[in-house]
Amino acid sequence: DQQVKQNSPSLSVQEGRISILNCDYTNSMFDYFLWYKKYPAEGPTFLISISSIKDKNEDGRFTVFLNKSAKHLSLHIVPSQPGDSAVYFCAARYSGAGSYQLTFGKGTKLSVIP
Amino acid sequence: DVKVTQSSRYLVKRTGEKVFLECVQDMDHENMFWYRQDPGLGLRLIYFSYDVKMKEKGDIPEGYSVSREKKERFSLILESASTNQTSMYLCALGGWDGYTFGSGTRLTVV
Repeated sequence: DQQVKQNSPSLSVQEGRISILNCDYTNSMFDYFLWYKKYPAEGPTFLISISSIKDKNEDGRFTVFLNKSAKHLSLHIVPSQPGDSAVYFCAARYSGAGSYQLTFGKGTKLSVIP
Repeated sequence: DVKVTQSSRYLVKRTGEKVFLECVQDMDHENMFWYRQDPGLGLRLIYFSYDVKMKEKGDIPEGYSVSREKKERFSLILESASTNQTSMYLCALGGWDGYTFGSGTRLTVV
């Protein structure tokens, strides 16, 4: 059973507009969430994270929002740039078990059109 | 910065060959992971290790094994490569703030 879901396999956005990538989770024990960005033929790189005690975290053009009651998080990219075209993975972790293991979604491929 | 090095970026192997994928870290992290990435399937956990000589199965361990004789090196072994193991293989270190991934190995089994 998928505990982290990214229901949109792909998303196309015009350059300069906002990109919104969504992620849903089912395990209420998750307390830390991350977004990774992956270009073809490269390993994923960390983008931004949020703890469950917060509802928003911002880093430059990237903002992550967390709605715990809905078990939903979203990544906003404003403004979108062609270099943002990549696959974005949402990940979640349950820290209480003392484990650093992440559970990943299947990814959303973002295409930013010039 | 933590560095995770995967020995090969691209690899082509024949069906039935035994394949070794190496992952080396330059820090003292205990937690190391092997994933494979396939389009539409995301990142799937194959094996992980929390310490030397320790290993745990992930979600898709069939056809794979691992070795961790030293803390800095975590090897993924394909006992008898098959075409359905053609994939992108990713090694990661796990810390309190998330993972650091290697560059990946694109393995093609012909």
